[in-house]
Amino acid sequence: EPEVTQTPSHQVTQMGQEVILRCVPISNHLYFYWYRQILGQKVEFLVSFYNNEISEKSEIFDDQFSVERPDGSNFTLKIRSTKLEDSAMYFCASSEGYGGGSSYNEQFFGPGTRLTVL
Amino acid sequence: AQTVTQSQPEMSVQEAETVTLSCTYDTSENNYYLFWYKQPPSRQMILVIRQEAYKQQNATENRFSVNFQKAAKSFSLKISDSQLGDTAMYFCAFMIGQGAQKLVFGQGTRLTINP
Repeated sequence: EPEVTQTPSHQVTQMGQEVILRCVPISNHLYFYWYRQILGQKVEFLVSFYNNEISEKSEIFDDQFSVERPDGSNFTLKIRSTKLEDSAMYFCASSEGYGGGSSYNEQFFGPGTRLTVL
Repeated sequence: AQTVTQSQPEMSVQEAETVTLSCTYDTSENNYYLFWYKQPPSRQMILVIRQEAYKQQNATENRFSVNFQKAAKSFSLKISDSQLGDTAMYFCAFMIGQGAQKLVFGQGTRLTINP
Protein backbone atom coordinates (compact mmCIF):
# COMPACT_ATOMS: atom_id res chain seq x y z
CA GLU A 1 0.00 0.00 0.00
CA PRO A 2 1.40 3.44 -0.89
CA GLU A 3 2.58 5.50 2.03
CA VAL A 4 4.09 8.85 2.87
CA THR A 5 7.70 8.63 3.99
CA GLN A 6 9.75 11.14 5.94
CA THR A 7 13.46 11.50 6.59
CA PRO A 8 15.19 11.69 8.94
CA SER A 9 13.18 10.10 11.70
CA HIS A 10 15.06 12.17 14.27
CA GLN A 11 17.08 15.34 13.73
CA VAL A 12 19.14 17.02 16.42
CA THR A 13 20.45 20.50 15.72
CA GLN A 14 21.95 23.49 17.46
CA MET A 15 19.93 26.66 17.92
CA GLY A 16 20.43 28.99 14.97
CA GLN A 17 21.21 26.23 12.50
CA GLU A 18 19.23 25.53 9.36
CA VAL A 19 17.40 22.23 9.01
CA ILE A 20 15.62 20.61 6.09
CA LEU A 21 12.98 17.99 6.73
CA ARG A 22 12.17 15.75 3.81
CA CYS A 23 8.99 14.02 2.77
CA VAL A 24 8.06 11.80 -0.14
CA PRO A 25 4.30 12.03 -0.65
CA ILE A 26 2.23 9.32 -2.27
CA SER A 27 3.05 9.41 -5.98
CA ASN A 28 -0.31 10.41 -7.48
CA HIS A 29 -1.12 12.95 -4.79
CA LEU A 30 -1.24 16.61 -5.67
CA TYR A 31 -1.70 18.36 -2.33
CA PHE A 32 0.84 18.46 0.43
CA TYR A 33 0.83 19.60 4.00
CA TRP A 34 3.09 20.09 6.99
CA TYR A 35 1.87 19.85 10.55
CA ARG A 36 3.77 19.98 13.80
CA GLN A 37 3.16 18.59 17.27
CA ILE A 38 5.02 19.93 20.26
CA LEU A 39 5.44 17.14 22.80
CA GLY A 40 2.26 16.59 24.76
CA GLN A 41 0.25 19.06 22.71
CA LYS A 42 -2.14 18.90 19.80
CA VAL A 43 -1.22 18.67 16.16
CA GLU A 44 -1.08 22.09 14.48
CA PHE A 45 -1.35 22.98 10.80
CA LEU A 46 1.64 24.77 9.31
CA VAL A 47 1.19 24.98 5.56
CA SER A 48 -0.53 23.51 2.53
CA PHE A 49 1.05 23.38 -0.93
CA TYR A 50 -0.31 22.80 -4.41
CA ASN A 51 0.92 23.38 -7.93
CA ASN A 52 4.29 24.57 -6.65
CA GLU A 53 2.94 27.26 -4.43
CA ILE A 54 1.64 27.72 -0.92
CA SER A 55 -2.15 27.46 -0.69
CA GLU A 56 -2.48 28.44 2.94
CA LYS A 57 -0.21 28.95 5.91
CA SER A 58 -0.77 29.39 9.61
CA GLU A 59 0.53 32.07 11.93
CA ILE A 60 3.25 29.65 13.00
CA PHE A 61 4.64 29.54 9.47
CA ASP A 62 6.66 32.75 9.59
CA ASP A 63 9.61 33.91 7.49
CA GLN A 64 11.87 31.32 9.12
CA PHE A 65 9.94 28.56 7.38
CA SER A 66 9.82 27.66 3.71
CA VAL A 67 8.58 24.74 1.66
CA GLU A 68 9.67 23.41 -1.68
CA ARG A 69 9.06 20.59 -4.08
CA PRO A 70 12.49 20.50 -5.66
CA ASP A 71 12.30 17.48 -7.94
CA GLY A 72 8.72 16.33 -8.42
CA SER A 73 8.88 13.68 -5.72
CA ASN A 74 10.26 15.25 -2.56
CA PHE A 75 8.49 17.87 -0.49
CA THR A 76 10.70 19.71 1.96
CA LEU A 77 10.27 21.96 4.96
CA LYS A 78 13.18 24.26 5.73
CA ILE A 79 13.67 26.13 8.97
CA ARG A 80 16.33 28.76 8.40
CA SER A 81 17.44 29.55 11.94
CA THR A 82 16.09 27.10 14.44
CA LYS A 83 14.89 28.14 17.89
CA LEU A 84 14.41 26.06 20.99
CA GLU A 85 10.64 26.30 20.56
CA ASP A 86 10.88 24.66 17.13
CA SER A 87 11.52 21.36 18.90
CA ALA A 88 8.56 19.21 17.90
CA MET A 89 7.39 16.31 15.80
CA TYR A 90 6.85 17.41 12.21
CA PHE A 91 4.35 15.49 10.11
CA CYS A 92 4.04 15.60 6.37
CA ALA A 93 0.73 14.65 4.77
CA SER A 94 -0.55 14.36 1.25
CA SER A 95 -3.91 14.03 -0.44
CA GLU A 96 -5.00 13.13 -3.92
CA GLY A 97 -7.31 16.07 -4.40
CA TYR A 98 -8.32 19.37 -3.02
CA GLY A 99 -11.93 19.35 -3.84
CA GLY A 100 -14.46 21.92 -2.89
CA GLY A 101 -18.13 21.57 -2.32
CA SER A 102 -19.04 18.21 -0.93
CA SER A 103 -15.96 16.42 -2.17
CA TYR A 104 -13.37 15.14 0.20
CA ASN A 105 -9.86 13.83 0.02
CA GLU A 106 -8.22 11.98 2.84
CA GLN A 107 -4.89 13.22 4.09
CA PHE A 108 -2.33 10.46 4.55
CA PHE A 109 0.28 11.17 7.19
CA GLY A 110 3.92 10.21 7.25
CA PRO A 111 5.57 8.77 10.38
CA GLY A 112 6.97 12.15 11.38
CA THR A 113 10.39 13.66 12.01
CA ARG A 114 11.29 14.42 15.59
CA LEU A 115 13.25 17.70 15.63
CA THR A 116 15.28 18.50 18.73
CA VAL A 117 16.87 21.94 18.97
CA LEU A 118 19.59 22.29 21.61
CA ALA B 1 -12.19 30.35 13.14
CA GLN B 2 -12.87 26.72 13.80
CA THR B 3 -12.08 25.15 17.16
CA VAL B 4 -12.16 21.57 18.37
CA THR B 5 -12.41 20.67 22.05
CA GLN B 6 -11.78 17.32 23.69
CA SER B 7 -12.69 17.59 27.35
CA GLN B 8 -11.25 14.26 28.50
CA PRO B 9 -7.45 14.40 28.74
CA GLU B 10 -7.23 10.75 29.83
CA MET B 11 -9.47 7.70 29.96
CA SER B 12 -8.88 4.16 31.06
CA VAL B 13 -11.04 1.04 30.61
CA GLN B 14 -10.71 -2.70 30.86
CA GLU B 15 -10.20 -4.84 27.82
CA ALA B 16 -13.47 -5.81 26.06
CA GLU B 17 -15.35 -2.86 27.55
CA THR B 18 -16.95 -0.09 25.52
CA VAL B 19 -15.58 3.42 25.78
CA THR B 20 -16.81 6.74 24.41
CA LEU B 21 -14.54 9.69 23.71
CA SER B 22 -16.09 13.15 23.53
CA CYS B 23 -15.47 15.94 21.04
CA THR B 24 -17.18 19.24 20.44
CA TYR B 25 -16.41 21.77 17.76
CA ASP B 26 -17.35 25.27 16.79
CA THR B 27 -17.88 26.51 13.27
CA SER B 28 -20.18 28.69 11.24
CA GLU B 29 -19.64 26.53 8.17
CA ASN B 30 -22.32 24.20 6.91
CA ASN B 31 -20.13 21.97 4.76
CA TYR B 32 -17.36 20.22 6.67
CA TYR B 33 -15.87 16.91 7.69
CA LEU B 34 -14.98 15.41 11.03
CA PHE B 35 -12.38 12.80 11.82
CA TRP B 36 -10.95 10.72 14.59
CA TYR B 37 -7.24 9.98 14.37
CA LYS B 38 -5.34 7.48 16.49
CA GLN B 39 -1.76 8.14 17.52
CA PRO B 40 -0.09 5.10 19.13
CA PRO B 41 3.24 5.40 20.96
CA SER B 42 5.01 5.30 17.59
CA ARG B 43 3.35 8.72 17.03
CA GLN B 44 2.14 7.80 13.54
CA MET B 45 -1.21 9.47 12.79
CA ILE B 46 -3.76 6.88 11.70
CA LEU B 47 -7.23 7.74 10.45
CA VAL B 48 -9.85 5.81 12.41
CA ILE B 49 -13.12 7.14 11.06
CA ARG B 50 -14.59 10.11 9.21
CA GLN B 51 -17.98 11.75 8.97
CA GLU B 52 -19.33 14.11 6.35
CA ALA B 53 -21.48 16.81 7.91
CA TYR B 54 -24.15 16.54 5.22
CA LYS B 55 -24.74 12.88 6.06
CA GLN B 56 -27.25 12.21 8.81
CA GLN B 57 -26.22 8.59 9.23
CA ASN B 58 -23.46 8.03 11.77
CA ALA B 59 -20.27 6.51 10.37
CA THR B 60 -19.11 3.08 11.51
CA GLU B 61 -15.88 1.17 10.93
CA ASN B 62 -15.93 -2.27 12.53
CA ARG B 63 -15.64 -1.70 16.30
CA PHE B 64 -15.54 2.08 15.88
CA SER B 65 -18.62 4.25 15.51
CA VAL B 66 -19.48 7.88 15.96
CA ASN B 67 -22.40 9.79 17.39
CA PHE B 68 -22.64 12.91 15.26
CA GLN B 69 -24.99 15.56 16.62
CA LYS B 70 -24.78 18.44 14.15
CA ALA B 71 -27.05 20.85 16.00
CA ALA B 72 -25.11 20.33 19.21
CA LYS B 73 -21.78 20.35 17.32
CA SER B 74 -20.81 17.14 19.02
CA PHE B 75 -18.86 14.23 17.53
CA SER B 76 -18.12 11.40 19.94
CA LEU B 77 -16.24 8.18 19.19
CA LYS B 78 -17.40 4.86 20.56
CA ILE B 79 -15.00 1.93 20.68
CA SER B 80 -16.72 -1.39 21.29
CA ASP B 81 -15.02 -4.54 22.58
CA SER B 82 -11.87 -2.54 23.29
CA GLN B 83 -8.53 -4.23 22.69
CA LEU B 84 -5.06 -3.66 24.11
CA GLY B 85 -3.98 -2.36 20.71
CA ASP B 86 -6.48 0.48 21.03
CA THR B 87 -4.23 2.10 23.62
CA ALA B 88 -3.22 5.42 22.06
CA MET B 89 -3.86 9.14 21.90
CA TYR B 90 -7.05 9.91 20.02
CA PHE B 91 -7.48 13.22 18.25
CA CYS B 92 -10.72 14.65 16.96
CA ALA B 93 -10.22 16.82 13.86
CA PHE B 94 -12.25 19.14 11.65
CA MET B 95 -11.90 20.09 8.00
CA ILE B 96 -13.82 22.72 6.05
CA GLY B 97 -15.34 21.32 2.87
CA GLN B 98 -14.11 24.08 0.59
CA GLY B 99 -10.92 25.97 0.07
CA ALA B 100 -7.84 25.08 2.06
CA GLN B 101 -8.54 21.68 3.50
CA LYS B 102 -6.35 21.95 6.54
CA LEU B 103 -7.16 19.80 9.52
CA VAL B 104 -7.87 21.48 12.87
CA PHE B 105 -7.18 19.13 15.76
CA GLY B 106 -8.41 18.90 19.32
CA GLN B 107 -6.08 18.51 22.27
CA GLY B 108 -6.38 14.75 22.33
CA THR B 109 -7.55 12.06 24.75
CA ARG B 110 -5.06 9.52 26.05
CA LEU B 111 -6.87 6.16 26.12
CA THR B 112 -5.44 3.23 28.02
CA ILE B 113 -6.91 -0.24 27.68
CA ASN B 114 -6.04 -2.40 30.69
CA PRO B 115 -5.77 -6.20 30.52
